[in-house]
Amino acid sequence: QVQLQESGPGLVKPSQTLSLTCIVSGGSVRTAGYYWSWVRQVPGKGPEWIGYTHHSGTHLYNPSLKSRVRMSVDTSANHFSLEMSSVTAADTAVYYCARENGGNLFDSWGQGILVTVSS
Amino acid sequence: DIQMTQSPPSVSASVGDRVTITCRASQAIDNYLTWYQQKPGTAPKSLIYGASSLHSGVPTRFRGSQSERDFTLTIASLQPEDCATYYCQQYSAYPYTFGQGTKVEV
Repeated sequence: QVQLQESGPGLVKPSQTLSLTCIVSGGSVRTAGYYWSWVRQVPGKGPEWIGYTHHSGTHLYNPSLKSRVRMSVDTSANHFSLEMSSVTAADTAVYYCARENGGNLFDSWGQGILVTVSS
Repeated sequence: DIQMTQSPPSVSASVGDRVTITCRASQAIDNYLTWYQQKPGTAPKSLIYGASSLHSGVPTRFRGSQSERDFTLTIASLQPEDCATYYCQQYSAYPYTFGQGTKVEV
């Protein structure tokens, strides 16, 4: 049973870069057919898909965030990462990492990490 | 982007009541819709996929249905542990999009 765990700073200053890592255990980021995703959720609102990355280097980002987002996979460390630049208070949210399977479903989620953007 | 319009924003019901939540897609998404249950401080948990298929282990009182672009989640007999916020999500096209949620109070 794969498990995902987000890690990173809970506080980021405005205009800086948010950096999060999702540690994968009980499975490999190189397993065929899976895409490694990030979803965020402003408290009290519906979730928002940020994008996915794949161990092959393929990635797809939400057009609304595309200019500020970069995702990558580290196969040696078995984790994947999110970087979001030029953050503002509107980027304050709980960030989840998730695994998307071949049926386009999120079949495993991390517990989430609250990231607050504030000076 | 495909917009998912969910209603009502909240519902208060009694144990044993039937609860219905709806979600309308702004364009055709076939049956590529999933329903999540989310409790405070936890990640969303998928209950139904393919509009009407129940995930293993999900109580059968949860049922999903579809009529063209309109999707419905029904809780046949509300239980105290069903107190949560429910979201729909389309996975027909990127970017995947979610509804705004329905808070169910018992």
